[in-house]
Order: sequence, then C-alpha cells, then structure tokens
Amino acid sequence: AQSVSQHNHHVILSEAASLELGCNYSYGGTVNLFWYVQYPGQHLQLLLKYFSGDPLVKGIKGFEAEFIKSKFSFNLRKPSVQWSDTAEYFCAVNALPNTGFQKLVFGTGTRLLVSP
Amino acid sequence: DAMVIQNPRYQVTQFGKPVTLSCSQTLNHNVMYWYQQKSSQAPKLLFHYYDKDFNNEADTPDNFQSRRPNTSFCFLDIRSPGLGDAAMYLCATSRAGLDTYNEQFFGPGTRLTVL
Repeated sequence: AQSVSQHNHHVILSEAASLELGCNYSYGGTVNLFWYVQYPGQHLQLLLKYFSGDPLVKGIKGFEAEFIKSKFSFNLRKPSVQWSDTAEYFCAVNALPNTGFQKLVFGTGTRLLVSP
Repeated sequence: DAMVIQNPRYQVTQFGKPVTLSCSQTLNHNVMYWYQQKSSQAPKLLFHYYDKDFNNEADTPDNFQSRRPNTSFCFLDIRSPGLGDAAMYLCATSRAGLDTYNEQFFGPGTRLTVL
C-alpha cells in the first residue's frame, strides 16, 4: 500500500530562517504529489501540487517543492519564513492517478512554529 | 464565496448512540469525500461519492455509513460510536473527470467526542 512519511513532526524556526520539510512516499508508479497547509483554526488548503513536467513546483505564499523521483521525495521549501507561516503542513500522494478522482494518502503532518 | 461547510463543528455523543455529521458544498463538485483524522495522525479516507456512486475503502468499518441525497449534501452516519471513533471528521470535494488535476477542497471539520 502507498504510504507517505514526514520525518519532522515539529519544527521551530525564527522569522527569516529558511525552511525545508521532508516528505517521502512509497509508490513505484506515476504519482501526483501535494502539499496542504492547515493554519490554526482553519481548514486544509492546497499549497502546491506536482503532476508532471518541471520537478520544481512553485506554490502560493513563496513555497516551492522539488520532486526527486530517484529518492521518492517531495520536499517543501521556503527561503525565508514569516510568523504567519505557523501552521501544520501535510504531504499527500494521489494513490490512484488517472482514475478521474483523487485518493489522497496523507503523511502525519509537520507542525511549524515560527517565532517573531 | 464557494465553500465546503460542515455542521456541527463540535459533536458530543454517548457510547453506542448513533450520530450524523453533515457536509454541504456550494462548489457543485461531483465528488465528495469523508476523512477521519485522529489526534497526531494523518487524515484517512473513509469513503467517497463519485456523483451517486458510493465507494467504500476496504478497511472502513461497517459502523460508518454515508448518504448523499443530492449534489450539495453528504452525510456521515456512525451507527454505534465507540471510544475509538473520537476524531476529527473532514469532508472534501473535488471536480473529477478525465482531468485529475483538480484539487480537493476541504471543510473545517467536525470534532467528535464520544463519552
């Protein structure tokens, strides 16, 4: 079965620090990959997604992620975090691509705390 | 704004007492999903509706049922809640078809407590 691993459960950074959150998946076929964010008290929102093409994907709010097929990884990065980036971040893989709907398998999430 | 709405946001029920959680959407999406998210765990897909077709995940307990009376509404019924069913329940929607590039839109969730 497909699985997603996020090794950093809690990350604490100061404002302006660089961020990289790790995500590894186990699935040998075609993958669709996602990063979702959940701000305190809010619902899950899509940050960015990868389906094909350029492995470096840019999302909202200055986030980007790089798909490295050989490493089964899709790490999330931001060069300079802000206090407003405090949130929980979830990596997800679509376990059934090209079926007309998405079956998302999520990682357990990484809680990011950015101190001002 | 178009959105996914879940009611109630917090639900308390007693062990074994049936409970229904509600989800509605104004996005006119043809797929609706229910996820269960326990504390410090990943959201886990329970089932989804593709239009009127119900698709249950293999490991979803029989205690969990769902209804979709129309495009806009979807319900999650827990027939006999146990203590282990206490969790956040997330509803999501997407517009599906041959193009799978469509993101899922999530509701705020319903936090279920079982006493």
